[in-house]
Amino acid sequence: GAGVSQSPSNKVTEKGKDVELRCDPISGHTALYWYRQRLGQGLEFLIYFQGNSAPDKSGLPSDRFSAERTGESVSTLTIQRTQQEDSAVYLCASSLFGGSNEKLFFGSGTQLSVL
Amino acid sequence: QKEVEQNSGPLSVPEGAIASLNCTYSDRGSQSFFWYRQYSGKSPELIMSIYSNGDKEDGRFTAQLNKASQYVSLLIRDSQPSDSATYLCAVKTGANSKLTFGKGITLSVRP
Repeated sequence: GAGVSQSPSNKVTEKGKDVELRCDPISGHTALYWYRQRLGQGLEFLIYFQGNSAPDKSGLPSDRFSAERTGESVSTLTIQRTQQEDSAVYLCASSLFGGSNEKLFFGSGTQLSVL
Repeated sequence: QKEVEQNSGPLSVPEGAIASLNCTYSDRGSQSFFWYRQYSGKSPELIMSIYSNGDKEDGRFTAQLNKASQYVSLLIRDSQPSDSATYLCAVKTGANSKLTFGKGITLSVRP
């Protein structure tokens, strides 16, 4: 596609439910990043993929959070047993190779609300 | 100590003034430095990148880097109301590494 695509754009869920967030990066981009942005806050790094492997998953806040990437394209971020503090915008970004000087292209994000 | 700090803000300047946004980072091995702009309700977009000490100019924007002081700044000349946004400083330690963001500075340009 022309840009990074994320779905759903909005997700409302009940506390304790599991959610899956999807990211479709720009075609050919091998590097993929997930960030979380709480209201009025900066971007909090969650996980970085290079191809299908995740060399840096240091930002995942707990074992309720997991992510995978298949076929060097689509990535799914899964949050199990959601809590109210998980409410945030989840942003996905991709870049061509993950090089040090590369620009990140961001998707429009998924607004997650946990009631 | 946070990896990337942006402590000042929010910042309000009159139209036509120079806006100065500052950022410090903790990892001396950091190699690449970026400024992203984020309008309310939108995703971040890259406006400047800088990799070596000194100044880099692009139109009304100038990025400044001082690796010895671990300091990077963004100057916006002739500020316009359309520059009103949150400006995020971001730092990368090298290839195949995460991009770490500061919490951002909200800039408001008064007409």
